[in-house]
Amino acid sequence: GQQVMQIPQYQHVQEGEDFTTYCNSSTTLSNIQWYKQRPGGHPVFLIQLVKSGEVKKQKRLTFQFGEAKKNSSLHITATQTTDVGTYFCAATGSSGSARQLTFGSGTQLTVLP
Amino acid sequence: DAGVTQSPTHLIKTRGQHVTLRCSPISGHKSVSWYQQVLGQGPQFIFQYYEKEERGRGNFPDRFSARQFPNYSSELNVNALLLGDSALYLCASSLAYAGANYEQYFGPGTRLTVT
Repeated sequence: GQQVMQIPQYQHVQEGEDFTTYCNSSTTLSNIQWYKQRPGGHPVFLIQLVKSGEVKKQKRLTFQFGEAKKNSSLHITATQTTDVGTYFCAATGSSGSARQLTFGSGTQLTVLP
Repeated sequence: DAGVTQSPTHLIKTRGQHVTLRCSPISGHKSVSWYQQVLGQGPQFIFQYYEKEERGRGNFPDRFSARQFPNYSSELNVNALLLGDSALYLCASSLAYAGANYEQYFGPGTRLTVT
């Protein structure tokens, strides 16, 4: 089945530092979604990327979809304590059974005040 | 508007027992998906239903089954529970099934503990 690799697994940053998490697939993706899960909570949708090379911004968050539609990244500028949580990418493949949503293993972000 | 609701919130079962988890989607959403999330991992896809029909099934044994009702609510059933079934079970609803590029809205989950 389709696999989505996400790195790093953990990231500790000082408040105000930047943070980036990366998502990679060996196959071409139809789209990629990003979710945030706070400790003890459930995943909350952040954004969806569909087009090759697409870049979207939400305040301090920048999302990119690779030109080959096989990788994606989430970058947070000047982290705040409210950014704490686990960030997941979730991808849909381009055909057949790969069209189910496959989640990466997540990057757990800790922001130190 | 109410979000996705799930019941029960927590559940403790013994090995070999059966469990039924319930989910009500956001009003107007016709697709419901079920995920299993083990601590420290991402959600793993179990089933997706759209318009009461199964549209996708993940790599889970036949002990797992689900159905969707005419009002689009859904049940996930797990038979012959194993210790390894202990996890957070998440339900997500969307306007259409994930293959059509729709974002998913997750419920708070049911925490299942098998002893």
